[in-house]
Amino acid sequence: QKEVEQDPGPLSVPEGAIVSLNCTYSNSAFQYFMWYRQYSRKGPELLMYTYSSGNKEDGRFTAQVDKSSKYISLFIRDSQPSDSATYLCAMNRGTDKLIFGTGTRLQVFP
Amino acid sequence: KAGVTQTPRYLIKTRGQQVTLSCSPISGHRSVSWYQQTPGQGLQFLFEYFSETQRNKGNFPGRFSGRQFSNSRSEMNVSTLELGDSALYLCASRIWVGGQETQYFGPGTRLLVL
Repeated sequence: QKEVEQDPGPLSVPEGAIVSLNCTYSNSAFQYFMWYRQYSRKGPELLMYTYSSGNKEDGRFTAQVDKSSKYISLFIRDSQPSDSATYLCAMNRGTDKLIFGTGTRLQVFP
Repeated sequence: KAGVTQTPRYLIKTRGQQVTLSCSPISGHRSVSWYQQTPGQGLQFLFEYFSETQRNKGNFPGRFSGRQFSNSRSEMNVSTLELGDSALYLCASRIWVGGQETQYFGPGTRLLVL
């Protein structure tokens, strides 16, 4: 079993929809949780960074961490075609290596 | 500031050959991490270098090695290439600011092993 599980998708939604992306993990020692976005033929870029449990909002993006369930989510409100990309969750205990999910491919159609 | 640069961008090799990939982190960043990305396995951590020392290592065979120079530029080497080594190799420079870690990724080197 992988330490971090993520549904690969693809997830196809109409413009303006609310998107929910999720990851589950098995290591209860993870404290730092991140979401990266990767466009085709580009390297990933950091979208959201959360420490421990709780919510964090940044514009149309909200990250949620539920450590009791070992479950993290990224919500995208008012999705746009420019949000079409692969979204990767990542996590670690601190300064150690980041463990990534396999990524969910999102397509937002006009 | 210039971003993370990787060279070459594309590479075709045959089984048994070796390859060296290069990564220049963002100026002033001292930590460089390397990842292998494949459709089935996603992003898998290879190793991290900080101030010329390997700080973390992933679960890859000894054919995969790396080093970091005093100017923080890093190279990774794969010897005796196998078909399964075909992947996108990403490097990232890693910093901590205000308790938050950010990794800045380069565009990657796409390696095809025939």
